[in-house]
Amino acid sequence: EVQLVESGGGLVQPGGSLRLSCAASGFTFSSYWMSWVRQAPGKGLEWVANIKQDGSEKYYVDSVKGRFTISRDNAKNSLYLQMNSLRAEDTAVYYCARARMNSSPNDYYYYGMDVWGQGTTVTVSS
Amino acid sequence: DIQMTQSPSSVSASVGDRVTITCRASQGISSWLAWYQQKPGKAPKLLIYAASSLQSGVPSRFSGSGSGTDFTLTISSLQPEDFATYYCQQANSFPRTFGPGTKVDIK
Repeated sequence: EVQLVESGGGLVQPGGSLRLSCAASGFTFSSYWMSWVRQAPGKGLEWVANIKQDGSEKYYVDSVKGRFTISRDNAKNSLYLQMNSLRAEDTAVYYCARARMNSSPNDYYYYGMDVWGQGTTVTVSS
Repeated sequence: DIQMTQSPSSVSASVGDRVTITCRASQGISSWLAWYQQKPGKAPKLLIYAASSLQSGVPSRFSGSGSGTDFTLTISSLQPEDFATYYCQQANSFPRTFGPGTKVDIK
């Protein structure tokens, strides 16, 4: 079964750090771009970051640049999100998702985020 | 950054109704648009990619169309399990952006 399972969420004080993990199974993890998407309580979806199959390309939403780092370990079939200098506005459910895309300019395609985890909750509060 | 808007923000409909949701991008995004369905407390589910391609396993009553800046998601005959919030997302450039969502509820 194709599956993504997030972990690492919790309650953290403003300015603190947290590392989210996403364990992949049932597919060849190293063949896919991966994404983090978050959803603040009662709000819509917000894309956070993407990482290429080999980790050579990473992209972030402006609001987390310099504070969050996306990474992956293909040997462990795992995706990570290191979150530093956390703010109240980072409070959200964080989802990891598999992205079907190719970033090559001559062969670009995007076929959506087709597999999602169940989400892990991050609460930033004193 | 590309801004995505959706209309309406909410719609009340009955089982069997045809429902159309519109998504507009602030600049051209070719056909790099996806639609997702989300139910309360659940992860989003991919419905449509590349503006009009139906994701495997998604019922054929869902369809997407459009290119450039204007896109639509149509549910041809609303079923009880379709009451949810629907989001569009552009993938023409980074940062990826989602529309604000359209909530489809029971009339």
